[in-house]
Amino acid sequence: SQQGEEDPQALSIQEGENATMNCSYKTSINNLQWYRQNSGRGLVHLILIRSNEREKHSGRLRVTLDTSKKSSSLLITASRAADTASYFCATDRSGNTGKLIFGQGTTLQVKP
Amino acid sequence: NAGVTQTPKFQVLKTGQSMTLQCAQDMNHEYMSWYRQDPGMGLRLIHYSVGAGITDQGEVPNGYNVSRSTTEDFPLRLLSAAPSQTSVYFCASSSWADSNQPQHFGDGTRLSIL
Repeated sequence: SQQGEEDPQALSIQEGENATMNCSYKTSINNLQWYRQNSGRGLVHLILIRSNEREKHSGRLRVTLDTSKKSSSLLITASRAADTASYFCATDRSGNTGKLIFGQGTTLQVKP
Repeated sequence: NAGVTQTPKFQVLKTGQSMTLQCAQDMNHEYMSWYRQDPGMGLRLIHYSVGAGITDQGEVPNGYNVSRSTTEDFPLRLLSAAPSQTSVYFCASSSWADSNQPQHFGDGTRLSIL
C-alpha cells in the first residue's frame, strides 16, 4: 500500500508564482525525501529531511516536516517553466534499507 | 559519471516470454532496488538488496526474480511475462555509510507485454 498521499494531484501556475505540494504519510519515519521526475526520465533527488528536522532549504526549494501531523510540504518559489515536472515524496521508515515508499505524485505545470 | 545505468530502455515482449532487465551502478553503493511505476500509482518496490549475495522482497515481488552477485549489478528477471507487468521499471542505488542518503535512479526501462 502507498505510504504517502500527495495533494494536489495536479497543479498549474504561471511563471514566477510559488507552488506548494503536500504529502501525508501513515507510519513513523526515519526521513522523508522529495524527488522530481521530468517526462520520460528517471527520478532526481531534491531534498531529504530527517525526522528530527522541521525545515530545510535548497535554493528555491523549501521543505517542512511535521511529524505530529505526519505531513510534509514542498514549496517552490519563483517558479520557472523548467520546473514543469512530477514531484514525489518518499518515506524511509527504518533507514539503512534502501526501501522507499512513494506517494502518487503531484504533476506541476508552469506556464511561461 | 555514469551513475545508474539501465538497459534496455524499451522492450516489447509477448505473454509468456522471459527476459532480464539490467542495472549497473558505478558508485560502489551497497543498496540497490527495483521499482515499477504505473500511471497514477507512484513507484512501488519490487525487490531490493543491501549488498552482494543479499536480496529481499518489496511490496510487489510476484513474477520477478533478482540476484546480486556483485556490488555493481542487480538484474531483474521476469520469469513468464504477463500483460499486468507492462510498466516502467526503475533501478536505484544508495550508500550504506549514512542512513540518511538519497537514492540515485536510472532512466528506466519501458516494458510492454502483448
